[in-house]
Amino acid sequence: SAVISQKPSRDICQRGTSLTIQCQVDSQVTMMFWYRQQPGQSLTLIATANQGSEATYESGFVIDKFPISRPNLTFSTLTVSNMSPEDSSIYLCSVEDPGTYEQYFGPGTRLTVT
Amino acid sequence: GQQVMQIPQYQHVQEGEDFTTYCNSSTTLSNIQWYKQRPGGHPVFLIQLVKSGEVKKQKRLTFQFGEAKKNSSLHITATQTTDVGTYFCAGQNSGYALNFGKGTSLLVTP
Repeated sequence: SAVISQKPSRDICQRGTSLTIQCQVDSQVTMMFWYRQQPGQSLTLIATANQGSEATYESGFVIDKFPISRPNLTFSTLTVSNMSPEDSSIYLCSVEDPGTYEQYFGPGTRLTVT
Repeated sequence: GQQVMQIPQYQHVQEGEDFTTYCNSSTTLSNIQWYKQRPGGHPVFLIQLVKSGEVKKQKRLTFQFGEAKKNSSLHITATQTTDVGTYFCAGQNSGYALNFGKGTSLLVTP
């Protein structure tokens, strides 16, 4: 399985600011995903990020609020823009094994917006 | 769209008792995956089921995929305190992202 790291691991941000979360994988992968998990809740997919194309956003999530970059096959960023307290959550990136479709998750970024 | 329902939401057992969580999809799945998330941790992949009627075992864990490929279960025999966590099922149709159930939080009392 892939080894995935995320930065930062946690942050406390002020309302109205933006935070960029980085996701680094130790191998080249085609499919990367960004999820949000609010405390005690399940995982909600924000978007799918494929290298060389625009990210595909799920219903309820828009590019202006959650811009994503995918410059190469081992790296992606998710920006949470113009943050509000409702954006407080854990943000997780994951990658998909192209042969098995199994997904592996990074350790997550715990965001608190005050 | 595809919905994945998971029950129960919570389960509290005494150590040594068995535990089962059930997952149902509104549509036929190409595969279903199970994850475990410890408190404060991130989801960790457990297993993937692909074939109709498939049964897979990992030590005390038994995973089943229904004949219609719309439901699945995870059964833990003789729970231990190390089994504590939230178990998520996630259904997938070919080429699409995973759709996670709400999870079952398991608490095991010694």
